[in-house]
Amino acid sequence: EVQLLESGGGLVQPGYSLRLSCAASGFTFSRYAMSWVRQAPGKGLEWVSSISGSDGTTYYADSVKGRFTISRDNSKNTLSLQMNSLGGDDTAVYYCARGFSEFCSTTSCYPFDYWGRGTLVTVSS
Amino acid sequence: AIRMTQSPSSLSATTGDRVTITCRASQGISSYLAWYQQKPGKAPKLLIYAASILQSGVPSRFSGSGSGTDFTLTISCLQSEDFATYYCQQYSGYSWTFGQGTKVEIK
Repeated sequence: EVQLLESGGGLVQPGYSLRLSCAASGFTFSRYAMSWVRQAPGKGLEWVSSISGSDGTTYYADSVKGRFTISRDNSKNTLSLQMNSLGGDDTAVYYCARGFSEFCSTTSCYPFDYWGRGTLVTVSS
Repeated sequence: AIRMTQSPSSLSATTGDRVTITCRASQGISSYLAWYQQKPGKAPKLLIYAASILQSGVPSRFSGSGSGTDFTLTISCLQSEDFATYYCQQYSGYSWTFGQGTKVEIK
């Protein structure tokens, strides 16, 4: 059974940093791309970042580019998101999600077939 | 960035109704479109990908169609467990964009 379990959320002051983790199990982690998607309270879904399965290719939404860094440790089946210079607009539930494939092709990427339960990040003074 | 616009933003329906939700992309995305269902306090669930392919385990009352810029999600006979918010998502190119969501409520 595929399982994704996020951790690391909490209350953080504006301008500070936070690191989220996602522990994956039930599948061969390195064969799948992984992503982070967030949802502000009462709002819709926003894609944040994605990383390919084994070659380390990364993608970022413009809203987080230069502030957030996605990474993965295939030996530990763990996905991470380092978030720096946090602001109020970053307050959201952050979901870890598995991509339908390992890589993007030349014309498209992938939908997300499994999701974790999410971890809440609150940015406030 | 590709923008995804869903309509309506919300709708009221009763059990047994046929429900249709539309999603329009700001530029052509071929069939690189997925639909998700989200219930309050829960993670989204993949229903359909490649515009019309039903994800494993999803009931056949859900169907998707379209290509290019215009897409449709249809629930043929609404069940009580289908009251939720539905999102379309494009995955063309190297970014992903969700629609703003359509909330299906009980009439």
